[in-house]
Amino acid sequence: ETGVTQTPRHLVMGMTNKKSLKCEQHLGHNAMYWYKQSAKKPLELMFVYSLEERVENNSVPSRFSPECPNSSHLFLHLHTLQPEDSALYLCASSQGFGGLQGTDTQYFGPGTRLTVL
Amino acid sequence: AQKITQTQPGMFVQEKEAVTLDCTYDTSDQSYGLFWYKQPSSGEMIFLIYQGSYDEQNATEGRYSLNFQKARKSANLVISASQLGDSAMYFCAMRDQGGSEKLVFGKGTKLTVNP
Repeated sequence: ETGVTQTPRHLVMGMTNKKSLKCEQHLGHNAMYWYKQSAKKPLELMFVYSLEERVENNSVPSRFSPECPNSSHLFLHLHTLQPEDSALYLCASSQGFGGLQGTDTQYFGPGTRLTVL
Repeated sequence: AQKITQTQPGMFVQEKEAVTLDCTYDTSDQSYGLFWYKQPSSGEMIFLIYQGSYDEQNATEGRYSLNFQKARKSANLVISASQLGDSAMYFCAMRDQGGSEKLVFGKGTKLTVNP
C-alpha cells in the first residue's frame, strides 16, 4: 500500500449505530487530519493530530470521536449520528508542523462516503 | 480570518486548449502558502501545486502553473494542453503561518474538458 488509505469507502448507518472510520498513511508523516466534505460546502477541518496528540478540534460535536494510536493510524468513531452528518469524510497526512518551510503538503486519502439514515 | 474565493462554479474547455481557474484570497498574514487540489468523481483530493507567499517565481508542475499576483491576492491555476482526464473539481486552499497546518479551502470549480 502506498499513500493514504481509508476504509471503508462507503458506509450506510442508522442513527443509533456505532461505527468507525479508519485511515492509514504509509508516508512516514507526523501529522494527520480529518475533514468533512458536505455537498455544496467547502471542505471543513474537523481534527488535527501531531505526533499522536490532538492539536486542534474545530468545534466538532461529541458524536464524532477521533483516536490516533500512532503516527500511521487515525480513527474516527461515530455514534448516534444525524442525517445531516452524511458526507464524504477525508483523511490527510503531512510531514508535520514545520511552519512554512518547504511545502509540507497535505496528502489525502480516497475518502469514506457516509450515509446516515 | 482567512478566506478563499473561487468565483467560477463551472468551466468548460476544449481538449488540448489551456484553461485558467481563478482563485482570490484574503489574509492579513505576511507569510502563507497557497495550494491547488484536484478532486475527480472518485473523491480523492490530489495535490497539484504549491506557491509560497515569498516565492518570487510562479510555481510550475508539468502542465500546471500558478499565476501568483500577490498585490491582487490572486493565485490562478493554469492548465495547459487540457486532457479529458482533467475533468474534475479543482480546489484552491491556503495555509496560515500559525503553525497549525490548517488549510482553508474554497468552494471549488468544476472543470469539464470536451473532446
